[in-house]
Amino acid sequence: NAGVTQTPKFQVLKTGQSMTLQCAQDMNHEYMSWYRQDPGMGLRLIHYSVGAGITDQGEVPNGYNVSRSTTEDFPLRLLSAAPSQTSVYFCASSHHEEQYFGPGTRLTVT
Amino acid sequence: GENVEQHPSTLSVQEGDSAVIKCTYSDSASNYFPWYKQELGKGPQLIIDIRSNVGEKKDQRIAVTLNKTAKHFSLHITETQPEDSAVYFCAATKTLKVTFGTGTKLQVIP
Repeated sequence: NAGVTQTPKFQVLKTGQSMTLQCAQDMNHEYMSWYRQDPGMGLRLIHYSVGAGITDQGEVPNGYNVSRSTTEDFPLRLLSAAPSQTSVYFCASSHHEEQYFGPGTRLTVT
Repeated sequence: GENVEQHPSTLSVQEGDSAVIKCTYSDSASNYFPWYKQELGKGPQLIIDIRSNVGEKKDQRIAVTLNKTAKHFSLHITETQPEDSAVYFCAATKTLKVTFGTGTKLQVIP
């Protein structure tokens, strides 16, 4: 099993550009989530999904969209990137409460 | 919403000594408390967890204690080794929503 995979590992965007962070898991987990990690602030929940076709907002959802068309994939979309979205993004999946995290995407918005 | 406070933010110990990291939470409905270890450039990895119906749990050199009345829980690492050096996060979970502490950077000095 590959576990949770994320692409790309690094990305630089200009303000106003759009992009999609990819996340996939091969563990058949129903629950998937996206976090951002900023210095001194831990991990904050952006969006989560409890199954295909079902998504909901977390603590910091503004500026991000998600969809869940399959159990395996949970992409995160930035429609118009802003410097405040410079961060490290982690995707996680879980069966019950135990979460498995991907390796992260480091995003810089200039 | 849930608020999780974690202390200390940095901790240096000599190899072989013990390390203790403490967290408090605000929502008495939280019922699952995982601890994650994050090494540089990687995603967080679950190292131990405890549920609200248990007071203490051990796994080799790692133990976690939970005081539901006081709403605090702690991570204890005994006989620390250089490979224990990392950032450790506590978290509190209620109905699949996870709130993380701000992290503790542990340095084990050989």
